[in-house]
Amino acid sequence: EAAVTQSPRNKVAVTGGKVTLSCNQTNNHNNMYWYRQDTGHGLRLIHYSYGAGSTEKGDIPDGYKASRPSQENFSLILELATPSQTSVYFCASGDPLGGREQYFGPGTRLTVL
Amino acid sequence: AQSVTQPDARVTVSEGASLQLRCKYSYFGTPYLFWYVQYPRQGLQLLLKYYPGDPVVQGVNGFEAEFSKSNSSFHLRKASVHWSDWAVYFCAVRLSSGSWQLIFGSGTQLTVMP
Repeated sequence: EAAVTQSPRNKVAVTGGKVTLSCNQTNNHNNMYWYRQDTGHGLRLIHYSYGAGSTEKGDIPDGYKASRPSQENFSLILELATPSQTSVYFCASGDPLGGREQYFGPGTRLTVL
Repeated sequence: AQSVTQPDARVTVSEGASLQLRCKYSYFGTPYLFWYVQYPRQGLQLLLKYYPGDPVVQGVNGFEAEFSKSNSSFHLRKASVHWSDWAVYFCAVRLSSGSWQLIFGSGTQLTVMP
């Protein structure tokens, strides 16, 4: 079965600190995605990747960086965290030319104080 | 621009009653549509998906959805709701090029009353 895992599951950070959220997938999917979920907005795309070494900006990339060192791993980096980045973050993987749906991780709840 | 609208932020039904959750999309071309469910403190799970073909698609746990091109809709239905259906439901359309990302609606919180 398709599997996407995220770590940490919960994180409390201070304003101005650096935060790294990690995602691992065992689906061998080329595409990976980072979304954030906020009440009233559904999920919005931050960054995505077509494969190892590739990162692309999504709809709301400001304040975030991404890293895709391998097929399996995709990280989201907040260099200078701000309270407005308090949210729930979801990683997903997908193969648009295969099954076409995306598989989601369990989410990371980030609080920036 | 592509978008998805779920007009009902909250829906409350009694256990055993029928259910319809509404979804309207705006998309140029043939859409690929999805319903995901999010149980409390969990990630999103695929409920069902529509690829061009039969307009009525069956999903897990007795859910089904009907695609209407004329109404730009993809409503979710269930004949008899169970207490375990208490969750947030998201409708999404997938872009067919570029990022292949999902464009999500804002979600509908379903509450099931005993």
